[in-house]
This record gives sequence, structure tokens and C-alpha cells, in this order.
Amino acid sequence: QVLLQQWGAGLLKPSETLSLTCAVYGGSFNYYNWSWIRQPPGKGLEWIGEVNHSGSTNLNPSLKSRVTISVDTSKNQFSLKLSSVTAADTAVYYCARDLIQLQMFDFWGQGTLVTVSS
Amino acid sequence: QSVLAQPPSASGTPGQRVTISCSGSNSNIGTNTVNWYQQLPGTAPKLLIYTNNQRPSGVPDRFSGSKSGTSASLAISGLQSEDEADYYCAAWDDSLNGYVFGTGTKVTVL
Repeated sequence: QVLLQQWGAGLLKPSETLSLTCAVYGGSFNYYNWSWIRQPPGKGLEWIGEVNHSGSTNLNPSLKSRVTISVDTSKNQFSLKLSSVTAADTAVYYCARDLIQLQMFDFWGQGTLVTVSS
Repeated sequence: QSVLAQPPSASGTPGQRVTISCSGSNSNIGTNTVNWYQQLPGTAPKLLIYTNNQRPSGVPDRFSGSKSGTSASLAISGLQSEDEADYYCAAWDDSLNGYVFGTGTKVTVL
């Protein structure tokens, strides 16, 4: 069975950098893309971007200037950094496995609530 | 930003059939497959339907999906109380070069 376990700071001040990591247990790390998705409180889902095992990324244009997604294949982990956060970045952030051929997210992390407040 | 339009809510009594629509465009639903996710309160989304109409192992057959042109639908037949959740459609968008989600539909079992 596949398990995605994520962690990171839950409270940030405006202008700080959000940093989250997702560890993948089970399954092959190299045959998938790995995505970050967020959900503001009471709102819908927004795809942030994805990374493959070689480190190539594909990012949502609306966030591209502030987002870095990286991968550490030695640890089966991938990470998200979002710079210059504001209150609008307050959301639950999820990591997810992207089964490329079928363009679907078949396994998700548990989610991390990140609150941006002064 | 949600590119796929869904009704904000849908409801039915136990045993009834409920359908949820998902409207997109040629750059997403029109050329790529549609997936549906179920999000129970306080939990991460779960894959419900993939490739328009396929159910992952463990998903009851009362859930079904379809796609036509630039729209898709999710049907829940024999509605049960545990089906009360938010439902999201999603697809790859060739113009965005990324995934887009629907606005989400809250299903209430009366």
C-alpha cells in the first residue's frame, strides 16, 4: 500500500516562505509525478504544481513566480516552497501522487493547514 | 482558480439518484479525461472515478461517471447517508499545461 506523509510549519507571518515536505512510502517513486494541491478554508481545490523523479517541474502559472517544487529521490521525498506568503495563501496543503498516464491523483497526503497571520 | 463549473449543491433522500454536472472547455474536458474526487468532512479528497467512467477498486458501483463533449457528469444511485460529502471534478488543461478542478458540489442526504 502507498502512504504519503507530509509535514511543515503551520503558522507563518506575511512575507515569510512556506515550506512543506511529503514522504512517500510504498510503490515506485520514479514512475509517477508528484503534486501539491491546496484548499483555502471553505473553498475548492487548486493545483499548485508537480515534479517528476528527475526534478523537472510543471507549475500553475498563477503561482509560478513564488513556487519551488523539488525532489529528493534518495529519501523518496518531495518538497514545496512558496515565497512571500500573504493571508490569501492560508489553506490546507495536500501532496498527491499523479498517475501520469491516467492523469489522476490516486493517493493523497493527510493535509497540512498553513495559516498566514501577523 | 476553478475552471470547471459545478452546481454548488445537490440533495436527495436515501435511495434516490443524484447527478452532478461538470462543465469545461475544449482545452480540458473536450480533449482530456475527467476524474472525480470525494471529500468527506475534514479529510483529504479520495479518487472516486477516473478516466471518465472507471471506478477504483473499493468504490461502490452506485457511483458512475460519464463524459460528452466539454461536459461530464457524476451519478450516485441508491443515495446513502455516508455519501454526504463534497465532490470535485478535475481534468488536465492543455492551455494551462496543468490540472484544473471543478468548483465543487456539496451533496446533502435529506
